[in-house]
Amino acid sequence: EIVLTQSPGTLSLSPGERATLSCRASQSVSYTYLAWYQQKAGQAPRLLIYGVSSRATGIPDRFSGSGSGTDFTLTISRLEPEDFAVYYCQQYGSSPGAFGQGTKLEIK
Amino acid sequence: EVQLVQSGAEVKKPGESLKISCKGSGYTFTSYWIGWVRQMPGKGLEWMGIIYPSDSDTRYSPSFQGQVTISADKSITTAYLQWSSLKASDTAMYYCARGRGYCSGGCYFDYWGQGTLVTVSS
Repeated sequence: EIVLTQSPGTLSLSPGERATLSCRASQSVSYTYLAWYQQKAGQAPRLLIYGVSSRATGIPDRFSGSGSGTDFTLTISRLEPEDFAVYYCQQYGSSPGAFGQGTKLEIK
Repeated sequence: EVQLVQSGAEVKKPGESLKISCKGSGYTFTSYWIGWVRQMPGKGLEWMGIIYPSDSDTRYSPSFQGQVTISADKSITTAYLQWSSLKASDTAMYYCARGRGYCSGGCYFDYWGQGTLVTVSS
């Protein structure tokens, strides 16, 4: 099974700043089968990015994904107040489709 | 509009059985996988398994194989997650979600249900 490790565990930033979240896989993720989700307190997760870098419907272009192999990044170019949440990566190239443990993005 | 509507919160005792549901609408139910994801209190997301409602092809995470059963009734566009004997450690929020992409590897999930909170306590 592929294990995904996200870093940092918590990221403290201010609105307007740039956020860079990392997701590292224990072995290479097949093709571009990596997704990112956002989860706010008390809500279901929301798909942000699939296929490493494709934005889901309705996701603002300040969210972008990149990477390949074992190292992936979610970048939020300019943080808005509504972006403070927990973010999860997920690989779906090799069953089971494991999630990372999450990065909490909090307001500094 | 794609919707996944899950059954309501449950409070059960250890050893009891339970079946929770997830009703899909607004899309062709038999053309997409449905997945189940566990979130224990204060913790992250865990991929449990997926089912293809058209033929009930089902895949489980090794962590959940034998612990739960995933099923679907395509005639009423509903997927299920069930336990035969609950444990306190099954206390969690359970989400269903529509699977997309490479589902032989587990799918990514584009639409999610609202979650069903299962509490198991004596």
